[in-house]
Amino acid sequence: DAGVTQSPTHLIKTRGQQVTLRCSPKSGHDTVSWYQQALGQGPQFIFQYYEEEERQRGNFPDRFSGHQFPNYSSELNVNALLLGDSALYLCASSLVYLARSSYEQYFGPGTRLTVT
Amino acid sequence: QKEVEQNSGPLSVPEGAIASLNCTYSDRVSQSFFWYRQYSGKSPELIMSIYSNGDKEDGRFTAQLNKASQYVSLLIRDSQPSDSATYLCAVSSNNNNDMRFGAGTRLTVKP
Repeated sequence: DAGVTQSPTHLIKTRGQQVTLRCSPKSGHDTVSWYQQALGQGPQFIFQYYEEEERQRGNFPDRFSGHQFPNYSSELNVNALLLGDSALYLCASSLVYLARSSYEQYFGPGTRLTVT
Repeated sequence: QKEVEQNSGPLSVPEGAIASLNCTYSDRVSQSFFWYRQYSGKSPELIMSIYSNGDKEDGRFTAQLNKASQYVSLLIRDSQPSDSATYLCAVSSNNNNDMRFGAGTRLTVKP
């Protein structure tokens, strides 16, 4: 059973650059959520994608954008990087049933982004 | 007031003891509650989910939920050194569009 995968594992970017992070959900899952985790903090919700649309968004600026593909994989894009964007970016997948929602989300290994 | 609050710890217990981790939340419409374990440098791993008031047991772990008090806890029985990690409490509304996390409690189990 393939779990959630993310790429790349680590990334170093310069302030002002743009970055794209990728996520493939757990086998059978159709919903992808993205989180940002700063050192010593809990993950913060960025947004969630289902059926290739953004369902909900957390308190993050428009510099953060995303996409979901027909195969349920997803990308997180961050433009005009700031030093404060340095964090662990986590992707979590879940499955939404038609009749009942499954609330459990499973995390990938994360992408460690460092902005210098 | 933070949406989800946890004692940051560190919480230190001897091997074989019961570790008790607590979490309070502010949004009364919250319906889904989760405990994740996160080892240093790793991603969060789901341990327990609980949706109804009362206790839910899974092996050495017991989650307790009290919606009236807006309180959720995790008990770890027979604590092992391998349980040493940060435990994250997460809360979601019924539509599961987002999860709100506490900052985590760092647990150390001493041999």
